[in-house]
Amino acid sequence: GQNIDQPTEMTATEGAIVQINCTYQTSGFNGLFWYQQHAGEAPTFLSYNVLDGLEEKGRFSSFLSRSKGYSYLLLKELQMKDSASYLCAVRGERGSTLGRLYFGRGTQLTVWP
Amino acid sequence: EPEVTQTPSHQVTQMGQEVILRCVPISNHLYFYWYRQILGQKVEFLVSFYNNEISEKSEIFDDQFSVERPDGSNFTLKIRSTKLEDSAMYFCASSEVGQGAWQPQHFGDGTRLSIL
Repeated sequence: GQNIDQPTEMTATEGAIVQINCTYQTSGFNGLFWYQQHAGEAPTFLSYNVLDGLEEKGRFSSFLSRSKGYSYLLLKELQMKDSASYLCAVRGERGSTLGRLYFGRGTQLTVWP
Repeated sequence: EPEVTQTPSHQVTQMGQEVILRCVPISNHLYFYWYRQILGQKVEFLVSFYNNEISEKSEIFDDQFSVERPDGSNFTLKIRSTKLEDSAMYFCASSEVGQGAWQPQHFGDGTRLSIL
């Protein structure tokens, strides 16, 4: 089966840095995606990793270690609007862009003033 | 910025009735998907669609589900005889054709389906 684990909840203060971890065990791997989801809204694409290492995109960075089945999303200079659920998703075993995504349960981040 | 649009935003239906959920993917995208999210649970894959046929479907996508691209812009999910457990948020997503596996899937705002 496919197993993707991430913490249920995290809290942080405005201006701080927060790291959201994700571990996965899947039958195949063709990339790991991070999405942001505000309550009642669509998941919004944040970042993607297919090779080991760090991908930086403004205030957001994502890291991947395929050998450890581990990724993290790093959010810097936190703002109140960053309060949302952050979803870790792994593209499955099909070797194409059409591959299904397996999602974790999401980490609800609350940013306090 | 182009976006995936879904209608209706909320659908209330009696158990046993048929529902059709509609999606307009981003115009230059050729891969289409349906996912669902039961309240408080994770997002789950239902089906992927390319070149007018189903590419992959999950164990959830049984005979009561079907998908169709009736014209050049719409992508629909039909549930033939709804059950209480079909109550969920249904998300449509689309992605571009591109080199490699890095093209992200872009999601619509979802249709909240409530079965009574």
